[in-house]
Amino acid sequence: NAGVMQNPRHLVRRRGQEARLRCSPMKGHSHVYWYRQLPEEGLKFMVYLQKENIIDESGMPKERFSAEFPKEGPSILRIQQVVRGDSAAYFCASSRTAYEQYFGPGTRLTVT
Amino acid sequence: GESVGLHLPTLSVQEGDNSIINCAYSNSASDYFIWYKQESGKGPQFIIDIRSNMDKRQGQRVTVLLNKTVKHLSLQIAATQPGDSAVYFCAENFGNEKLTFGTGTRLTIIP
Repeated sequence: NAGVMQNPRHLVRRRGQEARLRCSPMKGHSHVYWYRQLPEEGLKFMVYLQKENIIDESGMPKERFSAEFPKEGPSILRIQQVVRGDSAAYFCASSRTAYEQYFGPGTRLTVT
Repeated sequence: GESVGLHLPTLSVQEGDNSIINCAYSNSASDYFIWYKQESGKGPQFIIDIRSNMDKRQGQRVTVLLNKTVKHLSLQIAATQPGDSAVYFCAENFGNEKLTFGTGTRLTIIP
């Protein structure tokens, strides 16, 4: 029973490039969440999705950030025109219900 | 504002001793709490959860206590082992399906 999978594990982008982070939830889980973590800090909620629907994006920056969870395939967090302040660890979690969120290993984004 | 905070940023415990990690929350409407363990370079690992209609819940070597009167949550780890060294986060959910995390406590087990 594979856990939440994220790729890539590490991603380096130059300022102005696009970053695409992928998340495959656990089997049977239809709820996907994205969180961001800065060094030595807790995780901050970004967005909550179900298949083909964004349920809550209250934690997403208004510009450059978008997320999707298509009918087929992984959930994607997309960051356009990355800036140095986007450097962080991005974690995806999935759940069968609204509770018991299980996290993936994260993608560590470095913007140079 | 609504927040989840931790009293101590670091905690060192002798191997074999019990450890207690504390967490304060401010949102009285929170109905679900989770403790996560995060090792360096890894994602948060679910440890144990508790709903607001409970005061105590036990797992394997771990116990979570919830005191709603003072809005306090604690994680007790019995007979600590070197593998328990990690950062521990409490998180709360107040029915809107997103977790609010505290800043974390770094637990170090001294051999």
